[in-house]
Amino acid sequence: QKEVEQDPGPLSVPEGAIVSLNCTYSNSAFQYFMWYRQYSRKGPELLMYTYSSGNKEDGRFTAQVDKSSKYISLFIRDSQPSDSATYLCAMGRSGRRALTFGSGTRLQVQP
Amino acid sequence: DGGITQSPKYLFRKEGQNVTLSCEQNLNHDAMYWYRQDPGQGLRLIYYSQIVNDFQKGDIAEGYSVSREKKESFPLTVTSAQKNPTAFYLCASSIITPGSTEAFFGQGTRLTVV
Repeated sequence: QKEVEQDPGPLSVPEGAIVSLNCTYSNSAFQYFMWYRQYSRKGPELLMYTYSSGNKEDGRFTAQVDKSSKYISLFIRDSQPSDSATYLCAMGRSGRRALTFGSGTRLQVQP
Repeated sequence: DGGITQSPKYLFRKEGQNVTLSCEQNLNHDAMYWYRQDPGQGLRLIYYSQIVNDFQKGDIAEGYSVSREKKESFPLTVTSAQKNPTAFYLCASSIITPGSTEAFFGQGTRLTVV
């Protein structure tokens, strides 16, 4: 079993929809949670960074962490065609050698 | 402009040839990483380095080598021992100890065996 599980999609939604992207994890020691957006043939760019449980909002993006359920989510409001990309979740903890990534969910927002 | 620069963007390798991928950062980050990304898969860690002149193997280090002679630079060599090198290679850096801070990525190098 992978430490971090993420549905690969593709997830197709109409423009303006609310998108929900999710990851589950098995290691309860993870403390830092991130979401990256990756356009085709480009490097991932950091969208959201959250420490421990709770919510964080930045514009149209909201990240949620539920450590009791080992579940994290990224919500995108008023989705745009420019949001079409692969979204990667990543997790880390102090002393760990590097972040652990999910396999990514491909999102397509139809105009 | 601070960031991570990977070069070249595209690279073609013949069978039995070694090739070196460049990664330079001007973010003054201590830690640097190399990841490999294959279609439909997540990022797999090849090597990482926390300080100059020190580096550690990741999950898939076989067939790869690195050096860290300067804080800004972390080149990756794909050797002929790597049997399936065709992939998208990503370099990243972070401020301090790996795992506790966000990582920032370069734009990647796509390596193809011809």
